[in-house]
Amino acid sequence: KQEVTQIPAALSVPEGENLVLNCSFTDSAIYNLQWFRQDPGKGLTSLLLIQSSQREQTSGRLNASLDKSSGRSTLYIAASQPGDSATYLCACDSGTYKYIFGTGTRLKVLA
Amino acid sequence: EAQVTQNPRYLITVTGKKLTVTCSQNMNHEYMSWYRQDPGLGLRQIYYSMNVEVTDKGDVPEGYKVSRKEKRNFPLILESPSPNQTSLYFCASSIHTGAIQETQYFGPGTRLLVL
Repeated sequence: KQEVTQIPAALSVPEGENLVLNCSFTDSAIYNLQWFRQDPGKGLTSLLLIQSSQREQTSGRLNASLDKSSGRSTLYIAASQPGDSATYLCACDSGTYKYIFGTGTRLKVLA
Repeated sequence: EAQVTQNPRYLITVTGKKLTVTCSQNMNHEYMSWYRQDPGLGLRQIYYSMNVEVTDKGDVPEGYKVSRKEKRNFPLILESPSPNQTSLYFCASSIHTGAIQETQYFGPGTRLLVL
């Protein structure tokens, strides 16, 4: 059964730092992996979707990579800003129409 | 505006009183799904639907029912709610054609308290 882990659970960084969030999954047979952002009391907003045939996706200051063989994905945030403060979640689709989510990394960017 | 809507946003009820949480999307998406989010456990999938009249269980389906009679709507039914179903519920939808699934769009969430 697929398990998704995100470490660390919480992270606090000063504004302007480049940072990396990690997502690990146990079953490499995934169709895609998505990164989401969740603000307190709000729903999830999709950030990046990586199909299994892709190695990375970029959107603005965000870059997500996927290494299926090692069961890892990373979300790179460049030049972090206080507005980036949120919980970041990754989710794997193993092609069975079921999504397995990690428990998230709570990020705080200090001004 | 493309969106997923859920109603109600907040609900307090008592054990055993049947309730329905509605979910509607205006993007003509094939795939719809329900999740619950609990502290320390993250999001867990309850049920999903690949198209009209096609539904299947996620990881935590016990105590829930769903139906998909129209493409845009995917209601979540709790026939006899219990306190362990107190949670934050999210509905999501996405394009799903063949082996390719596009990004999921999430509703704003429904916070349910069962006394």
